[in-house]
Amino acid sequence: AQSVTQPDIHITVSEGASLELRCNYSYGATPYLFWYVQSPGQGLQLLLKYFSGDTLVQGIKGFEAEFKRSQSSFNLRKPSVHWSDAAEYFCAVGPMEYGNKLVFGAGTILRVKS
Amino acid sequence: GAVVSQHPSWVICKSGTSVKIECRSLDFQATTMFWYRQFPKQSLMLMATSNEGSKATYEQGVEKDKFLINHASLTLSTLTVTSAHPEDSSFYICSAFRQSMAYNEQFFGPGTRLTVL
Repeated sequence: AQSVTQPDIHITVSEGASLELRCNYSYGATPYLFWYVQSPGQGLQLLLKYFSGDTLVQGIKGFEAEFKRSQSSFNLRKPSVHWSDAAEYFCAVGPMEYGNKLVFGAGTILRVKS
Repeated sequence: GAVVSQHPSWVICKSGTSVKIECRSLDFQATTMFWYRQFPKQSLMLMATSNEGSKATYEQGVEKDKFLINHASLTLSTLTVTSAHPEDSSFYICSAFRQSMAYNEQFFGPGTRLTVL
């Protein structure tokens, strides 16, 4: 069965510090992998995605993620966090066909302290 | 490009009434749209897949007579919560699937906050 695990429910980092959000997935075939960000009361914004090729993916707002097939992981990183990055982050996995259904992780709430 | 809108953004209704939520892809056509439900501090739960011109496909445990989905055009899907009750209060998010040569991607709407009194 397809599943996504985000082991950290909450993470607090200081502004300017580095960030890594963990994501592990279980999927039977080659997946599409996504990271989304959601601000309170808002919809989801795509940060980055991995389909194939280079396993280090660059996204918007200075985020990057690395796909590690051997570890079934797709961790999100940012070298220096800004206060505006405080939000909830969701990792998602889905098949490569059109009309795919995404499976979302439970989310990680990021708090940034000044 | 690739903007998805939802209307209304929030709605408060009395128990027993029906509420319709619209999801529109503003600058692309989407034969497939999805409806999600999100409870406070929880992840998105897929409710149904909405296909233009055909019946929606509901996920297990979702009452199709309770949550009516209509995908009448390539840019519009509607979710009607019939005879709403307080337990239906939630944040409803739609997404629209855009197909391109390079990749296929879902674009999410801003969500609709439903409160049933």
